[in-house]
Parts: sequence; structure tokens; C-alpha cells
Amino acid sequence: AQSVSQHNHHVILSEAASLELGCNYSYGGTVNLFWYVQYPGQHLQLLLKYFSGDPLVKGIKGFEAEFIKSKFSFNLRKPSVQWSDTAEYFCAVKRDSGAGSYQLTFGKGTKLSVIP
Amino acid sequence: SQTIHQWPATLVQPVGSPLSLECTVEGTSNPNLYWYRQAAGRGLQLLFYSVGIGQISSEVPQNLSASRPQDRQFILSSKKLLLSDSGFYLCAWSPEHFNYEQYFGPGTRLTVT
Repeated sequence: AQSVSQHNHHVILSEAASLELGCNYSYGGTVNLFWYVQYPGQHLQLLLKYFSGDPLVKGIKGFEAEFIKSKFSFNLRKPSVQWSDTAEYFCAVKRDSGAGSYQLTFGKGTKLSVIP
Repeated sequence: SQTIHQWPATLVQPVGSPLSLECTVEGTSNPNLYWYRQAAGRGLQLLFYSVGIGQISSEVPQNLSASRPQDRQFILSSKKLLLSDSGFYLCAWSPEHFNYEQYFGPGTRLTVT
């Protein structure tokens, strides 16, 4: 079964600082990759996704992530964070096809606190 | 557009009581439906998924069960709650084929006392 590791449990940044959240997965086959965000009191919502093609994907609110297959990584980045980015971020992976391709496996989440 | 509803939003139940959480999706047909449990610091754990009416797959053996009586309705149940059933339960849907992202509902906070 696949697994997902998010390296940071809690990240604290000042506004305008750059952000990079790490995500590594374990599965040797073709995968689909996602970042979800949960703002305080809100639904879990999709931030960005990778299925195929350009490994650098752009999402909403200025976020981007890069899929590096050789490193089994899908790190999330934002050049300049805002207070409104305070939220919990979850990396998730699913197999592209075959048995278990329905199942999203989530990391434990990274809480981001942005200080004004 | 598609929307997903869950109710109740919060629930406090005594140990040994039954449970029924409901999830409905609007604006789509033949969705895949999922129940997750979210625990602080542990991410989301898939409990059940369904690809059609009456078709339920369980991922983790436990005190809970799921049913799908209608195409866009997914119910999470228990006959007798345990303290360990406390948590945040999320329902999600995805389009009929699996190679799409999942969309999550607002969740139900269940506290078993």
C-alpha cells in the first residue's frame, strides 16, 4: 500500500515569506498527486492536482507544486504567503490505475500559521 | 454545479447508542462516494467507498457500517457506539471514474461520551 509523509507538522511564517511544504510518497507505480487545504472552519478543498504532463502544476491562490518522480516528491510552494493562507495542508496520493486506484492516501497534514 | 451536504454538523452521543450520519450529493449522477475519518495529527483515513447503489467496500474493519440506498445518498451507521468512534467524519464524492479528484463535504464532529 502507498504511504505519504509530510515532513513538517507545524510551520510558522511571517507574511511575505516564501513557503515550501514537503511531501514524499511511497509507491513505485504511476500516481496521481494532490494538495488539499483546510481553512479554519471550512471544508477540505482541492488546492492543486497532478495527473500527467508538466510536472510543475499551478493551483489556486498562487500555489504551485512540483512532481519529482525520481525523488517520489510533490512539494508545495508559494513565493509570498499571506495571513489568509493560515490553514492546514494535506498531501494525498492515489494510484493511477488498477487495484486501489479509488483510494486517496493522505499525509498527516501540515499546519501553517502566518503572522501578520 | 455539484454540492455535497452532511448532517448533522455536530453530534454528541452516549456509548452504546446507535449512529446515523447522512451525506447527499447534488448536481451529479453515479458518483463514487467515500466516508473518511479525520483525527488530529493523523490525516484522513478511508473507511468506506461505494461505486453504486448497494455497493459498499470497507477499508478498515470496525464498529461502523455504510449503506447507499440511493444514487446520491451515503449513510454511515453504527448499532452501538464506542468511545473510540469519536472523531471528525467526512464524506466525499468523485465522478464515476476513479481518475478524478475527490470533493469533500463539511464534515460531522462526533463525540461519544
